[in-house]
Amino acid sequence: AQTVTQSQPEMSVQEAETVTLSCTYDTSESDYYLFWYKQPPSRQMILVIRQEAYKQQNATENRFSVNFQKAAKSFSLKISDSQLGDAAMYFCAFYNNNDMRFGAGTRLTVKP
Amino acid sequence: EAQVTQNPRYLITVTGKKLTVTCSQNMNHEYMSWYRQDPGLGLRQIYYSMNVEVTDKGDVPEGYKVSRKEKRNFPLILESPSPNQTSLYFCASSALGQGRNGYTFGSGTRLTVV
Repeated sequence: AQTVTQSQPEMSVQEAETVTLSCTYDTSESDYYLFWYKQPPSRQMILVIRQEAYKQQNATENRFSVNFQKAAKSFSLKISDSQLGDAAMYFCAFYNNNDMRFGAGTRLTVKP
Repeated sequence: EAQVTQNPRYLITVTGKKLTVTCSQNMNHEYMSWYRQDPGLGLRQIYYSMNVEVTDKGDVPEGYKVSRKEKRNFPLILESPSPNQTSLYFCASSALGQGRNGYTFGSGTRLTVV
């Protein structure tokens, strides 16, 4: 079974600075998809960014970008120009064949 | 608006009192799933359904039941809740095979069993 590991339970960043959240996964599959979800205090699960494993190019969405290292099975999220609204729990997720697995989450605090 | 609707949003109950958390989606999705979220453990899958009358266990199914009599609804049933089922629950859906685009999640149900 696939597993997803987020080794940073908590992270902190100064407003306007850059922060990187780490995620590693374990799989024997070659075709899969990776996601970062944001969960603010409202509890809503918001899709931040998505990466297709067969694409070498790293996905970007405005201030959010990923560093996808397929051989190392690593999928980190970089948030640039951090804003107070970025404060949330962030979950890394792995998807393959109708099965989505989540990491334990990283709580991000943004300091003004 | 395309959405997954969960009810209730908050629920406090006593040990052993049967309860149902409802989940409904308006996107004609075949795939529906229940997760529980616990600190330090992330989201873990309880049950999932590929279509009407087709359900299967996830990673933590003990103490839960589900049914899928209609495509839009996928209720989660706790027949005899215990304190270790205190958790945040999410329902999610997608078109079959389209989870690669991400799931649509409900807004969560915070359950406390005392």
